[in-house]
Amino acid sequence: NAGVMQNPRHLVRRRGQEARLRCSPMKGHSHVYWYRQLPEEGLKFMVYLQKENIIDESGMPKERFSAEFPKEGPSILRIQQVVRGDSAAYFCASSPFLSGAGGYEQYFGPGTRLTVT
Amino acid sequence: GQQVMQIPQYQHVQEGEDFTTYCNSSTTLSNIQWYKQRPGGHPVFLIQLVKSGEVKKQKRLTFQFGEAKKNSSLHITATQTTDVGTYFCAHDNYTGANSKLTFGKGITLSVRP
Repeated sequence: NAGVMQNPRHLVRRRGQEARLRCSPMKGHSHVYWYRQLPEEGLKFMVYLQKENIIDESGMPKERFSAEFPKEGPSILRIQQVVRGDSAAYFCASSPFLSGAGGYEQYFGPGTRLTVT
Repeated sequence: GQQVMQIPQYQHVQEGEDFTTYCNSSTTLSNIQWYKQRPGGHPVFLIQLVKSGEVKKQKRLTFQFGEAKKNSSLHITATQTTDVGTYFCAHDNYTGANSKLTFGKGITLSVRP
């Protein structure tokens, strides 16, 4: 069972370009989460998606950032008109949904290291 | 959502020493999870605790959930250089239909050989 896959692993963009980060969750997982991690900092929640639905985007910047998880294909985190401050590691995680008392562990992908020059 | 706090952010130990870190909340938590992230790596799930006073062990790592379910501890016996990394605690704000983790800021452990 393949783990969470993210690509690309490293991405370099110039200021003003668009960055597209992809995430394929583990097989059977219907919940996808995106996190941003700046150097020496913790994980900042960005958005939580299920297939074709955004459940919680409270951590997403209001402008330039968007995310989707289509019925077919990977989840995409899109950053338009990137700026230097967007340079960070972006992690995707997935978890299964099972009815019960909650407390589902998340499985993280290897991350995409975005560098904006 | 419910916040979990980890202080300090960094700790340095001599190889062979024991290490303990804590995760605290001002409110009662239904569960607590611990993750480890190696330098340059991604977070990896270690354990989940759900019962008051629960203790779980993984080799040299011991995890405990407080009696009041407001704090948790991670204890490493006789640290090794392989223990280097950042340890995060997290709480699942489960609402019945959705599951969302809130992470602490983590503690970065360095081990002097």
